[in-house]
Amino acid sequence: EAAVTQSPRSKVAVTGGKVTLSCHQTNNHDYMYWYRQDTGHGLRLIHYSYVADSTEKGDIPDGYKASRPSQENFSLILELASLSQTAVYFCASSLRDRATGQLYFGEGSKLTVL
Amino acid sequence: TQTVSQSDAHVTVFEGDSVELRCNYSYGGSIYLSWYIQHHGHGLQFLLKYYSGNPVVQGVNGFEAEFSKSDSSFHLRKASVHWSDSAVYFCAVSGTNAYKVIFGKGTHLHVLP
Repeated sequence: EAAVTQSPRSKVAVTGGKVTLSCHQTNNHDYMYWYRQDTGHGLRLIHYSYVADSTEKGDIPDGYKASRPSQENFSLILELASLSQTAVYFCASSLRDRATGQLYFGEGSKLTVL
Repeated sequence: TQTVSQSDAHVTVFEGDSVELRCNYSYGGSIYLSWYIQHHGHGLQFLLKYYSGNPVVQGVNGFEAEFSKSDSSFHLRKASVHWSDSAVYFCAVSGTNAYKVIFGKGTHLHVLP
């Protein structure tokens, strides 16, 4: 069973503080993603990665950085957290093959910025 | 630009009813379409996908979806719903860059006893 683990599952941060959300996958997948979920907006892609030590911008990258130090790990970094970044964040992974490349999601990280 | 639209934010049915959740997309090239389910407080789980061949695809738990190029649609159906099907359902599309998956806003299915 494919597994994607996110930490922390819940976090309260102060405005202007630094937040790091971590993601670990044991699927041996090449591709990893960070999505943000807000009520009424569905999921929006923040950053994604094809390979270790490389990241790509998604649709809403502003205010976020990503780091992929190894195939298994993908982090999302908020250097200066803002109120508007309160949301649930999901990490996902997938295979390289387009035909079978369904996304496997973690359970989510609920971030509240005060 | 790829877009995906789910016109119904909420759908309410009774247990045992059939249901159809609508998804329309906009994209000019080869396309990959998927449906995912999200139970409250959890991550999304894959239901089914279409990328070629038979336009009717079968998924888990009795779900199926039908691709229509003429209507630009990929509607999800189930013949007889169970209370445990209550969840949010997301339609997703990806194109040339198959690793950039775009999600609709989701449809919340409420199944009443």
